Amino acid sequence: DAGITQSPRHKVTETGTPVTLRCHQTENHRYMYWYRQDPGHGLRLIHYSYGVKDTDKGEVSDGYSVSRSKTEDFLLTLESATSSQTSVYFCATVSATSYNEQFFGPGTRLTVL
Amino acid sequence: EDQVTQSPEALRLQEGESSSLNCSYTVSGLRGLFWYRQDPGKGPEFLFTLYSAGEEKEKERLKATLTKKESFLHITAPKPEDSATYLCAVQWSSASKIIFGSGTRLSIRP
Repeated sequence: DAGITQSPRHKVTETGTPVTLRCHQTENHRYMYWYRQDPGHGLRLIHYSYGVKDTDKGEVSDGYSVSRSKTEDFLLTLESATSSQTSVYFCATVSATSYNEQFFGPGTRLTVL
Repeated sequence: EDQVTQSPEALRLQEGESSSLNCSYTVSGLRGLFWYRQDPGKGPEFLFTLYSAGEEKEKERLKATLTKKESFLHITAPKPEDSATYLCAVQWSSASKIIFGSGTRLSIRP
């Protein structure tokens, strides 16, 4: 268990509203990731971070931004939510002994009406 | 285009009936192939990492193998508690990017 929590766990919002999801880890891991999971698509990387204030885009980054001002927190923001962003969002960090082995949080189910 | 394909999409087995799940990939410059287990409503749980063709890893009733183009997750004498979705993921040249397959939903009937 990498001590990852996500908040909120569930959220329903309306199209056009801003939404921020939070990922918090207690293991002081350098790398953190945001994924979305949709039926038929598996997990797709949105953004990742390799240190405080160091972030980069994944394969589905359009419409999302991230921030990492502290090692333990990685925020994902939907500036103006759309129905296509309805999904389950997972945060992940990597093992302290192997950066290839990812540990995932419990997920946030987001519904955009 | 780099791709990871898992088959079958779903598999139903009787308890004790052994089988295999497949993960094929077209990634060039493989750095690692990963298997995860995901239970409903939860995040994926790491199982194995394989780095090179011919490598095998085992954990309880699960054994993962790797060739140059695919990986297999063999399940021997499965039990109902092995029911879950099994995800395969591949890491290639960039250290920070991983592609996931869509998963295989495994159901074991008592």
